[in-house]
Amino acid sequence: EAQVTQNPRYLITVTGKKLTVTCSQNMNHEYMSWYRQDPGLGLRQIYYSMNVEVTDKGDVPEGYKVSRKEKRNFPLILESPSPNQTSLYFCASSFLFVGSHHNEQFFGPGTRLTVL
Amino acid sequence: EDQVTQSPEALRLQEGESSSLNCSYTVSGLRGLFWYRQDPGKGPEFLFTLYSAGEEKEKERLKATLTKKESFLHITAPKPEDSATYLCAVQDRGSTLGRLYFGRGTQLTVWP
Repeated sequence: EAQVTQNPRYLITVTGKKLTVTCSQNMNHEYMSWYRQDPGLGLRQIYYSMNVEVTDKGDVPEGYKVSRKEKRNFPLILESPSPNQTSLYFCASSFLFVGSHHNEQFFGPGTRLTVL
Repeated sequence: EDQVTQSPEALRLQEGESSSLNCSYTVSGLRGLFWYRQDPGKGPEFLFTLYSAGEEKEKERLKATLTKKESFLHITAPKPEDSATYLCAVQDRGSTLGRLYFGRGTQLTVWP
């Protein structure tokens, strides 16, 4: 089954304790992206990756790190989480067509993070 | 300033009562506009991509249209199962490839 998986689905942690949210896709997609969703603010892009070893900042990259060492995986790292990073996080992936048109994104089920 | 504005924020319709959702955008050049549906507690699900003014796409009771300034998602004779939040996103030619700007969504409720 074609899918994007995220782990963990739920996480409660404390300020300053490093954490990693994993994202994996089995569709051989070049493009992967991380978003956070907050009430009243909608989906905001954190980081995205056009392919292995190619990443770039989105709207709200501060406090986050990413890496893309393999095509299927795109982990999101919070080195020192703070309460303002409490949010619902989504990973997404898609193909990139020739001609720069953006194909449909497939989203993961979400990770609900609470930082105390 | 938001690049993508969706209206209304919330919409309640009776089953069978057709209506439209609006997505207006301010980008230097549109590379693509996307509509997604999101059910509570789930990730967004792709509906449509539109690339140029005048383009239209349909899927069951949904029809998406695009002008140079905005897009409409028309819902014809909606059913309760169409209740969801509908999200609009744009890709701007003036931004690096891969950047996507989402609106805040329209929460649609269809009651029997």
